[in-house]
Amino acid sequence: GAVVSQHPSRVICKSGTSVKIECRSLDFQATTMFWYRQFPKQSLMLMATSNEGSKATYEQGVEKDKFLINHASLTLSTLTVTSAHPEDSSFYICSADDDRDRAYEQYFGPGTRLTVT
Amino acid sequence: GESVGLHLPTLSVQEGDNSIINCAYSNSASDYFIWYKQESGKGPQFIIDIRSNMDKRQGQRVTVLLNKTVKHLSLQIAATQPGDSAVYFCAETYSGGGADGLTFGKGTHLIIQP
Repeated sequence: GAVVSQHPSRVICKSGTSVKIECRSLDFQATTMFWYRQFPKQSLMLMATSNEGSKATYEQGVEKDKFLINHASLTLSTLTVTSAHPEDSSFYICSADDDRDRAYEQYFGPGTRLTVT
Repeated sequence: GESVGLHLPTLSVQEGDNSIINCAYSNSASDYFIWYKQESGKGPQFIIDIRSNMDKRQGQRVTVLLNKTVKHLSLQIAATQPGDSAVYFCAETYSGGGADGLTFGKGTHLIIQP
């Protein structure tokens, strides 16, 4: 149980275009999901907290107009990178907090490798 | 031995030996700590967690130690195997504020030598 999927696993897009990444909790509901970014040989950095039915909360330094988050259902959050540039190339990873689980554990997706050319 | 590269420190150990990976956390208010294993190109995989009311917790071949006085975590892996080769991250959070994101440490690249 507690499986999180991401789609696509890899995406290459041209500079100036937008790309959408999906994060799904497959066998549980998640009111709260999180988006992280990871550059090569570096750690994961929290970008934003995605809340079902309300606006996302962004970490300091993360542009909310550039990284659009939509959490329209209890099993799906999407991250749209708008007007992508090469410096947005990174590994994007989501995690989900199981609504049933009172213990505090996040379940991570497999990540999405974004390359902007 | 252990060396610090540009980004990730590396720890190299012989197969079968025990390894200890260390982590310093930053927020004295954090009360929940987790160790994750990340293989190349994959998402983090949960290994073991510990709450601030404990100073030691054991799992299968792994032990986490927490020293709140100096804000230090360690992960001990017993009898390392080739499949243990990966990057290991500690993460911290404060659970009392509802669902909060995790703050990750820098990570350590563990290499198991045959």
